[in-house]
Parts: sequence; C-alpha cells; structure tokens
Amino acid sequence: GQQLNQSPQSMFIQEGEDVSMNCTSSSIFNTWLWYKQEPGEGPVLLIALYKAGELTSNGRLTAQFGITRKDSFLNISASIPSDVGIYFCAVERTDDKIIFGKGTRLHILP
Amino acid sequence: DVKVTQSSRYLVKRTGEKVFLECVQDMDHENMFWYRQDPGLGLRLIYFSYDVKMKEKGDIPEGYSVSREKKERFSLILESASTNQTSMYLCASSLPGALAEAFFGQGTRLTVV
Repeated sequence: GQQLNQSPQSMFIQEGEDVSMNCTSSSIFNTWLWYKQEPGEGPVLLIALYKAGELTSNGRLTAQFGITRKDSFLNISASIPSDVGIYFCAVERTDDKIIFGKGTRLHILP
Repeated sequence: DVKVTQSSRYLVKRTGEKVFLECVQDMDHENMFWYRQDPGLGLRLIYFSYDVKMKEKGDIPEGYSVSREKKERFSLILESASTNQTSMYLCASSLPGALAEAFFGQGTRLTVV
C-alpha cells in the first residue's frame, strides 16, 4: 500500500524547546491530518489540512500542507510536559481509506 | 461531544478462540475503520466499511473479518485468535469525502495467550 514516511521516529527535547516533525509521501494527497496519542488512549485529531500550501495553527501547534501535496510538517512551540505522546500524520486516499505514518514519539526532559 | 466507544479496554483470550471486538459511534458517520497498532509500525488498517453491510479489506486483513449490520456499529472478528494478533486495536469513524477526519475510540488491548 501507499506509505507515509514520518520523521523523526522519536525525539528527546528540553521543556520549552520548539519541536518539528514531518511526513512525506511519493503520492499526492488532498487531505493531511495530524493526530496525537497519549498513553492508553486513542489518537485525537489536532489539525486537518485540506489545501496545498495551507498553514494552520491550533494554539502552540502549527501545521503546513506542502505545496506539492506530498508532504506536511507539524511544529510545536515552547513545549510543555503535557505535549508528551506519539504524533501521527495521516492522509485520506482516493478510496476514502485513511492511512497513518508510523508516528513520532515525543519525550520531554525536565 | 462526539464519541466512539469500544466495548473493552483490555481482553485476554486463548489461542484458537473466536474473538469479537465491538465498536459503536454516535456521530452518524458513514465510514468506520479498524486499525491495529504495534510498536514501530504505527497504525495499520485492517478493514474499512463505508456503509451498512459494506466492507473493504485494508492493508492487513488476514486472520480477521468484520460485520456492519447497523450504521453505528462495526465489529472486528478474529475467527481463531493467534498469539501474533496480540496488539492494540483501534476503531475509528469518519464522514466520507472532503471532511475525512477520523475520530477514534480508546482502543482495546488484546492479549492472546
């Protein structure tokens, strides 16, 4: 199936630092989604992107839909302890199925 | 508040048992999904349903089947559970087309012994 390449696989950062992660694909998609999963819970949608070039913010989170429609990035500014979790990118394929990257596990050091 | 509810948070089953994982959504969504999540592999799609009684295989359907008799309910069935099906199972639902934002349940952690 179509693959999403998400990087980095994990990150260890200091509290207060900014975070950046990205997702790429060899295929074009019309919808990019970013989710966060906290321990023991299902993923929760953070940001949805529907237009190439779109830059969308949700509090300290900012995500962009790449102009080529083959990539997206997520930035978190001034990280705090509750940002810990696994962040997933996802896309909707033409057959309506939503597929996910392998995730970026974020660790925050005190 | 939108909700996707999975019937069990934790399950332990024996090898060879038939296992049912149930999922109910209250958002009147047409699309429902079953994923499994394993460390380092992310979320992999098992089955997808875009309407009542309709189903499509995802990327890893082997060893699983599904049932969607009502719009709000989507069941995942392990016909004969095996130890390699020990995993976290996540159900999700979404609207079709442009508003493809999937909403997830809390997950069922299944252990097959």
